[in-house]
Amino acid sequence: KAGVTQTPRYLIKTRGQQVTLSCSPISGHRSVSWYQQTPGQGLQFLFEYFSETQRNKGNFPGRFSGRQFSNSRSEMNVSTLELGDSALYLCASSLTGSYDGYEQYFGPGTRLTVT
Amino acid sequence: DQQVKQNSPSLSVQEGRISILNCDYTNSMFDYFLWYKKYPAEGPTFLISISSIKDKNEDGRFTVFLNKSAKHLSLHIVPSQPGDSAVYFCAAKNTGTASKLTFGTGTRLQVTL
Repeated sequence: KAGVTQTPRYLIKTRGQQVTLSCSPISGHRSVSWYQQTPGQGLQFLFEYFSETQRNKGNFPGRFSGRQFSNSRSEMNVSTLELGDSALYLCASSLTGSYDGYEQYFGPGTRLTVT
Repeated sequence: DQQVKQNSPSLSVQEGRISILNCDYTNSMFDYFLWYKKYPAEGPTFLISISSIKDKNEDGRFTVFLNKSAKHLSLHIVPSQPGDSAVYFCAAKNTGTASKLTFGTGTRLQVTL
């Protein structure tokens, strides 16, 4: 079974621009979560989507948004990029996010650098 | 407010010995705990988990212990192997809040020959 895939793997953007990251979950997984990893901060939860609906949201500004499509693929968008948005963005999928799917499986991440 | 803490940023252990990685949490609503391993340039890989109704869960060389009264969990790796060298993240969740995982900042384990 193919794992979680994320595209692109690396991205360089300029302050003020916007960016869209893509995530394809493991086949059959309906829950997709997004995390931001920065040095010293660990992984910070951004949001979770399940059946095309945002089910949970972390403490990030409104510049961070996402969506999920009917095939469970998800996209994350960051508008008006700031230098502090430079990070590794990780996507994770799980069966449902409930009792039978607590374990989340991560993709390799997208390394975003904002200059 | 760091609700999940891994106070040791790094740990060095000799091959064949036991590695013990520690994690503390402050949120008493957490009832499910997971450990992930992360190699450079890869996403975290799920290792082992434990529900709050248990105090121990074992999977091969990996055992997780949970002390609810102390709000502390630990991951034991026995015996440690060079391939275990990675960053280990502890994560916790409240099973009533869907998929949100709260992660610690990680411990870098180095297994030396």
